[in-house]
Amino acid sequence: AQSVTQLGSHVSVSEGALVLLRCNYSSSVPPYLFWYVQYPNQGLQLLLKYTTGATLVKGINGFEAEFKKSETSFHLTKPSAHMSDAAEYFCAVSDSGGGADGLTFGKGTHLIIQP
Amino acid sequence: DVKVTQSSRYLVKRTGEKVFLECVQDMDHENMFWYRQDPGLGLRLIYFSYDVKMKEKGDIPEGYSVSREKKERFSLILESASTNQTSMYLCASSLGTNQETQYFGPGTRLLVL
Repeated sequence: AQSVTQLGSHVSVSEGALVLLRCNYSSSVPPYLFWYVQYPNQGLQLLLKYTTGATLVKGINGFEAEFKKSETSFHLTKPSAHMSDAAEYFCAVSDSGGGADGLTFGKGTHLIIQP
Repeated sequence: DVKVTQSSRYLVKRTGEKVFLECVQDMDHENMFWYRQDPGLGLRLIYFSYDVKMKEKGDIPEGYSVSREKKERFSLILESASTNQTSMYLCASSLGTNQETQYFGPGTRLLVL
């Protein structure tokens, strides 16, 4: 069974400051890892994903995440926050076993940007 | 661009009613998924389908059923709606295996009175 833990249901940063959203996972097989963003009254949009290869993954809107197997982590960062980054962020994991059986999501982190 | 559409953005139903939520994708994806989203719980997988007429239970299938008669359409059915099924329902689709991106619809916010 897989699980995802996102530390902090709400994170507040100042505009221009570093954004760090934490995600730890557990998985019995090598995982695929995803970050999705949800803006108010919208569905989820993929920010970035890790499947294989380079452990530092770059996504849209200046976000990136690093897969650290030894720490079972996939933290999301952005060097300089913008007001438009205010949204709900979800980390998710899926099984690399070859099928397609859905994502296991964390509970989400609401990112608040202070002017 | 992949487009996933859901039949309603908002829905109000009464306890005991049969409810149909429809989802359509336009990118010939094999896989389709239904999740429910609740505050503080994130998204939880209800059912998914990897082919026409095929369905698999997710983590919380109780009280729900699904139908996939055509590749592009995946329906979620609440046989007898209950108040604890008040939630946001999100449909998604993907191509191929688990490493593929899931594309989400805008969601249906269901209120059961």
